[in-house]
Amino acid sequence: GAGVSQSPRYKVAKRGQDVALRCDPISGHVSLFWYQQALGQGPEFLTYFQNEAQLDKSGLPSDRFFAERPEGSVSTLKIQRTQQEDSAVYLCASSLPGSYEQYFGPGTRLTVT
Amino acid sequence: GQQLNQSPQSMFIQEGEDVSMNCTSSSIFNTWLWYKQDPGEGPVLLIALYKAGELTSNGRLTAQFGITRKDSFLNISASIPSDVGIYFCAGRNTGKLIFGQGTTLQVKP
Repeated sequence: GAGVSQSPRYKVAKRGQDVALRCDPISGHVSLFWYQQALGQGPEFLTYFQNEAQLDKSGLPSDRFFAERPEGSVSTLKIQRTQQEDSAVYLCASSLPGSYEQYFGPGTRLTVT
Repeated sequence: GQQLNQSPQSMFIQEGEDVSMNCTSSSIFNTWLWYKQDPGEGPVLLIALYKAGELTSNGRLTAQFGITRKDSFLNISASIPSDVGIYFCAGRNTGKLIFGQGTTLQVKP
């Protein structure tokens, strides 16, 4: 079966531009997570959804970051007015109901120039 | 943000050797997971641990959930070249995962 997919895989944005990153979770996975991974570091939590409800957004670094999952499946992470410090890999993960095991997509590498 | 302390940071070993890496935290976790990440890819789940003291194997991999719930270790036996990559521990509380900084493993054939 298909795993978590993310698009685009690579994104180059000029500073100040808005970007939108997409995540398609594994079918049937109700929980969806976004993480940010800086070069040479472990992933850091941004936000998570259960179905369409955003249950925790404590990791979003600023109000320029916004995530949504309006129909409880596909999710979009939007970053407004990108800054150079936003350059990172953005990872999406999903999990089955009642499971603690999170399965990751390949990530989107964002470079802000 | 909060991260776990993972050691060693990197290892360079000969093929066939056994490998051990560990992860410690000042906080208690209810679940520990170990992931492997290859360049340009997302982390792949290797082993999940749910109970303090639990010892779990997956092929040549063995992981343990520490009794204090503040640590975990991962062993790889008889390493092979495809074991090369970055290994991350992650502790789970209230949904989100907290990751270590990773252990980079290089295997010399």
